[in-house]
Amino acid sequence: QVHLVQSGAEVKKPGDSVQVSCKASGYTFTDYYLHWLRQAPGQRLEWMGWINPNSGGTKFAQKFQGRVTMTRDTSISTAYMDLSRLISDDTAVYYCARERVRRTLIVDACDPWGQGTLVTVSS
Amino acid sequence: ELVLTQSPGTLSLSPGERATLSCRASQSVSSTFLAWYQQKPGQAPRLLIYGASIRATGIPDRFSGSGSGTDFTLTISRLEPEDFAVYCCQQYPTAFGQGTKLEIK
Repeated sequence: QVHLVQSGAEVKKPGDSVQVSCKASGYTFTDYYLHWLRQAPGQRLEWMGWINPNSGGTKFAQKFQGRVTMTRDTSISTAYMDLSRLISDDTAVYYCARERVRRTLIVDACDPWGQGTLVTVSS
Repeated sequence: ELVLTQSPGTLSLSPGERATLSCRASQSVSSTFLAWYQQKPGQAPRLLIYGASIRATGIPDRFSGSGSGTDFTLTISRLEPEDFAVYCCQQYPTAFGQGTKLEIK
């Protein structure tokens, strides 16, 4: 069974950086792209970007360019999302999510998702 | 920029009733990339429908999706107690609707 398990909640101060991890199991980690998304309180889900775990290649939403880094460690089937220069508006639940199918097919949704990691930014 | 607008914001129904949720796009989109998710508090979003009308693995057949162009619908034919949750649509991968909360009447 495919699972994505994320790291625990974080409390950060404005200006800090945060790293959220996402450990995959139940499938070949390098075969599927992973996406990172977030949901601020009362707001809609927001796509941040993706990482190709095989090559390490990434694509980010323009809003996060220069502030987000996505990496992976294939030896432990874990992806990481780092967000720097945190502000209060970055308070949100952060999710990793795997693409539903491999990119040899048309990718049309994310499934499954991690359980979410609450990041709170407060002075 | 593509905007997805869901309606209603909140839907109050009883178990056994039929639920109809709407997702409207600000411009015509491909049905191939229209997905629906269920969200419950403290849980990961769960994929229900992809390709506008294809049920994901393990999703009961009381859930169905339809639509094309700018108007898409998620229908739950007979509500079960576990169906009361928030539902959101996605134009994969970047655009999400704001969600419809389905609550018990």
